Amino acid sequence: AQSVTQLGSHVSVSEGALVLLRCNYSSSVPPYLFWYVQYPNQGLQLLLKYTTGATLVKGINGFEAEFKKSETSFHLTKPSAHMSDAAEYFCAVSQGGSYIPTFGRGTSLIVHP
Amino acid sequence: SAVISQKPSRDICQRGTSLTIQCQVDSQVTMMFWYRQQPGQSLTLIATANQGSEATYESGFVIDKFPISRPNLTFSTLTVSNMSPEDSSIYLCSVKVGTGGQETQYFGPGTRLLVL
Repeated sequence: AQSVTQLGSHVSVSEGALVLLRCNYSSSVPPYLFWYVQYPNQGLQLLLKYTTGATLVKGINGFEAEFKKSETSFHLTKPSAHMSDAAEYFCAVSQGGSYIPTFGRGTSLIVHP
Repeated sequence: SAVISQKPSRDICQRGTSLTIQCQVDSQVTMMFWYRQQPGQSLTLIATANQGSEATYESGFVIDKFPISRPNLTFSTLTVSNMSPEDSSIYLCSVKVGTGGQETQYFGPGTRLLVL
């Protein structure tokens, strides 16, 4: 069994500020972890994923996430927010590459000028 | 990678009618998925559609309500039958590409459905 919890349905930051979107998971086996972004009126786009190996994963658009097994977390960060980062972000977990992921409820990132 | 298109992009329908959503992929894929994304909710998997076999439905979804076709490796349709306002949602087509634990899942732009 697996599940994902995203803390905060909305996160608001100022342009240039640090972005931190939280994701905690539960999984009965070593997880594969994903972050997706959904811009308005578009489908989901893969930002980054962790499968095995290095726990700090770098993705597109300056985002990165760190897999912390002891904390069962996979938080998404970006040092400096840009207006174009405003979107819905989804964390997901699966039991392997061939398995179907379970998605969190999503966090809406709002960026203020 | 995979580029996915969906038709229609949005629609407004009357209750009791049916809508068929088309999903076209630019490459041949084995596994295709249909998701529902209700307002403020996460993505919920409706069914997995593999070419040459019957679709596999998740708990809470049935073939009579959401019939799926998968005539070839690049195309699938999802029909939302006898619609009610509760079916108002975004419906997303998705595929998995790759093998050996390195699979990547791609999503279409979605079909935004409003049922009155």
